[in-house]
Amino acid sequence: GQQVMQIPQYQHVQEGEDFTTYCNSSTTLSNIQWYKQRPGGHPVFLIQLVKSGEVKKQKRLTFQFGEAKKNSSLHITATQTTDVGTYFCAVDFNKFYFGSGTKLNVKP
Amino acid sequence: KAGVTQTPRYLIKTRGQQVTLSCSPISGHRSVSWYQQTPGQGLQFLFEYFSETQRNKGNFPGRFSGRQFSNSRSEMNVSTLELGDSALYLCASSLTGENSPLHFGNGTRLTVT
Repeated sequence: GQQVMQIPQYQHVQEGEDFTTYCNSSTTLSNIQWYKQRPGGHPVFLIQLVKSGEVKKQKRLTFQFGEAKKNSSLHITATQTTDVGTYFCAVDFNKFYFGSGTKLNVKP
Repeated sequence: KAGVTQTPRYLIKTRGQQVTLSCSPISGHRSVSWYQQTPGQGLQFLFEYFSETQRNKGNFPGRFSGRQFSNSRSEMNVSTLELGDSALYLCASSLTGENSPLHFGNGTRLTVT
């Protein structure tokens, strides 16, 4: 079935280091969404990417959509303890498929 | 604007029982979808309702069912509970459901003993 692969599964960083999570699909995507789930919380929508090669920024977060619209990345510059959580990508193939998530832990 | 409200927050049931979970979407949102979240399987799509009709369905057994009312509120039912049904059940609403952002509720934590 339709799937999106997300790596890495876990990432432990020291506060101030950068962090990147990647999502890859074997199928061309119409768009991709990113969500963040804090420990004990629920997923919260971050952004949607639609155009080939699109790059969007939200403060220290940079989101990219690949030229072929088959992959995407989320990069956090200079992580802070408030960035702790699990980051999911999600794609819509008539129903939403979520990546397995990347759990980010930030050591102060 | 009030967010997505799910009730109850926690449930403990025994095997063989059935359970009903409730979800009230954000006002104006017509699409409601349900997800099961477990440590092993991640976030898995159960079904989506739009204007009282089930529009999409995930790969779950028929024990999992749902419905949507005319006010867009939705319920999910699981019959003949199994231990493996223990999970966080999340409801999400969106304006149209098609390529629009999902707004999640806090979820219902179901424990089956």
